Amino acid sequence: AQSVTQPDIHITVSEGASLELRCNYSYGATPYLFWYVQSPGQGLQLLLKYFSGDTLVQGIKGFEAEFKRSQSSFNLRKPSVHWSDAAEYFCAVGADGSARQLTFGSGTQLTVLP
Amino acid sequence: IAGITQAPTSQILAAGRRMTLRCTQDMRHNAMYWYRQDLGLGLRLIHYSNTAGTTGKGEVPDGYSVSRANTDDFPLTLASAVPSQTSVYFCASSDSGVGYTFGSGTRLTVV
Repeated sequence: AQSVTQPDIHITVSEGASLELRCNYSYGATPYLFWYVQSPGQGLQLLLKYFSGDTLVQGIKGFEAEFKRSQSSFNLRKPSVHWSDAAEYFCAVGADGSARQLTFGSGTQLTVLP
Repeated sequence: IAGITQAPTSQILAAGRRMTLRCTQDMRHNAMYWYRQDLGLGLRLIHYSNTAGTTGKGEVPDGYSVSRANTDDFPLTLASAVPSQTSVYFCASSDSGVGYTFGSGTRLTVV
């Protein structure tokens, strides 16, 4: 069975600083990987996804993520964080090599200091 | 506006009562899902449906049931609510692996 680990429960960064959120997955074949963002009281919004091809994927709101098979990682990055980026971020892996039945990590809460 | 509608937005429910959470999508997505979100646990899959007329069990199905009579609707029923079912419930849909579209959630408190 697939699994996802987000080792950082809470991260605090200053506005304008760079950001990296970690995600490690466990899956036997090539995974389908996703990052979602959840603002308070809202549902989850898709930031970006990786299915195949270029291992560096670009998403919305200036986010990018890099798939590293050797490290089983799919870390999310942003070069300069804005106060509006404060939210909870979830990494997810597609079950059985598909994009259906996603398994989610436990989330990373991002706080942005002015 | 295309998307997923969940109702109610929030509910306080007495233990032992029956409750149905409603979910409707207007995107004609084949697959639909119910997740529960609990602090520190992320989202856990309760039930899913790959297409109308079929359903399957997820990671935490006990105490919940679903039906998928048509493409648009995917209600989740708690037959006899217990306090451990206090959670935020999200409905989602997807089509051809493009990623999920989520509803805005139902906050359920069982007392």
